[in-house]
Amino acid sequence: AQSVAQPEDQVNVAEGNPLTVKCTYSVSGNPYLFWYVQYPNRGLQFLLKYITGDNLVKGSYGFEAEFNKSQTSFHLKKPSALVSDSALYFCAVRGLSGGYNKLIFGAGTRLAVHP
Amino acid sequence: EPEVTQTPSHQVTQMGQEVILRCVPISNHLYFYWYRQILGQKVEFLVSFYNNEISEKSEIFDDQFSVERPDGSNFTLKIRSTKLEDSAMYFCASSEAYGSTGELFFGEGSRLTVL
Repeated sequence: AQSVAQPEDQVNVAEGNPLTVKCTYSVSGNPYLFWYVQYPNRGLQFLLKYITGDNLVKGSYGFEAEFNKSQTSFHLKKPSALVSDSALYFCAVRGLSGGYNKLIFGAGTRLAVHP
Repeated sequence: EPEVTQTPSHQVTQMGQEVILRCVPISNHLYFYWYRQILGQKVEFLVSFYNNEISEKSEIFDDQFSVERPDGSNFTLKIRSTKLEDSAMYFCASSEAYGSTGELFFGEGSRLTVL
């Protein structure tokens, strides 16, 4: 069965510092990986995805993520955090076995960026 | 930019009452989904819908739940007899039908409170 793990409930970062939000996955076959962000009382907004090709993918708002097949990870990164980046971040995976169209989400990581 | 719209934004109901949550997916999308999120926690898959039928459903999506696409634009989730534990934020999403690489686009959600 496909699954996603986000090992950190919360990540605290000072504004201007780099940030990393961790994600590992388990899926049969090649994974399709996604990051979404949720601001308070809002829906989920798509940030970026890895389908194939370059392991480093760039997305919205200066975020990027690195796909590492050997470590089955897809960590979200940003070189310089902003206070406005504070939100709930979800990693998601879609596999190719059975029900391939749904996304399975991780538990979410709350990012707090302090001035 | 096209978006998924959901109504109502918030509904309060008594336990045992029927509730219908409505969604208008992005017009050229063919896959539709319902997810729910309890109190800012994990986003859980409920059901996916394609070509006027359910393509996959989770264990949460029991006989109390049903989905329908009554016309060319709306996609509804019905809960026949609500329970306290149905209180959650319900998100509708849609995606294009080109294989499984596309991201899901989410609405802003409908908050359901069951008293």
